[in-house]
Amino acid sequence: EAQVTQNPRYLITVTGKKLTVTCSQNMNHEYMSWYRQDPGLGLRQIYYSMNVEVTDKGDVPEGYKVSRKEKRNFPLILESPSPNQTSLYFCASSLSMGGSADTQYFGPGTRLTVL
Amino acid sequence: AQKITQTQPGMFVQEKEAVTLDCTYDTSDPSYGLFWYKQPSSGEMIFLIYQGSYDQQNATEGRYSLNFQKARKSANLVISASQLGDSAMYFCAMREVVGSWGKLQFGAGTQVVVTP
Repeated sequence: EAQVTQNPRYLITVTGKKLTVTCSQNMNHEYMSWYRQDPGLGLRQIYYSMNVEVTDKGDVPEGYKVSRKEKRNFPLILESPSPNQTSLYFCASSLSMGGSADTQYFGPGTRLTVL
Repeated sequence: AQKITQTQPGMFVQEKEAVTLDCTYDTSDPSYGLFWYKQPSSGEMIFLIYQGSYDQQNATEGRYSLNFQKARKSANLVISASQLGDSAMYFCAMREVVGSWGKLQFGAGTQVVVTP
């Protein structure tokens, strides 16, 4: 089954404790992206990757890191989480970056709470 | 500036009735894609339907259809024969080809509640 998976689905952590949210897709997609969803602010892009070893900042990259060492995986790293990073996080992937027709398929989401 | 506008924060619809969710967009890019996603209370984002800026015909996917009016820059979603399982938040999104680096830009969403 074609899908985007994320782990963990739910996470409660404390300020400053490094964490990684994993994302994996099995569709051989080149483009992957992370979004966060907050009430009243909608979905905003954090980082994106056009292919292996090619990543760039989205609209709200502060406090996050990413890496793309393999095509299928695109982990989101919070080196020192803070309460304002409490949010619902989505990983998404699409065949490529350039086409307007490339549908982005989303993972199930990760609910992160930083105390 | 807001690129995607969904003016209906929420709406009730009776089971088996049709419902139209409004979406207007703003872009100067001649090539773009418009998408609708459904987010049930469980939280996942489910792709529903896509319309390309050069598509001559309105997109349809089962009970979903997209009323695309390019000159008005509107892309309304029509759900026919509503079901209780259609209760969810619905998001309109746009992907421009130039300058957006593949980013999907989302509207604020419309909460739909289907009543028996």
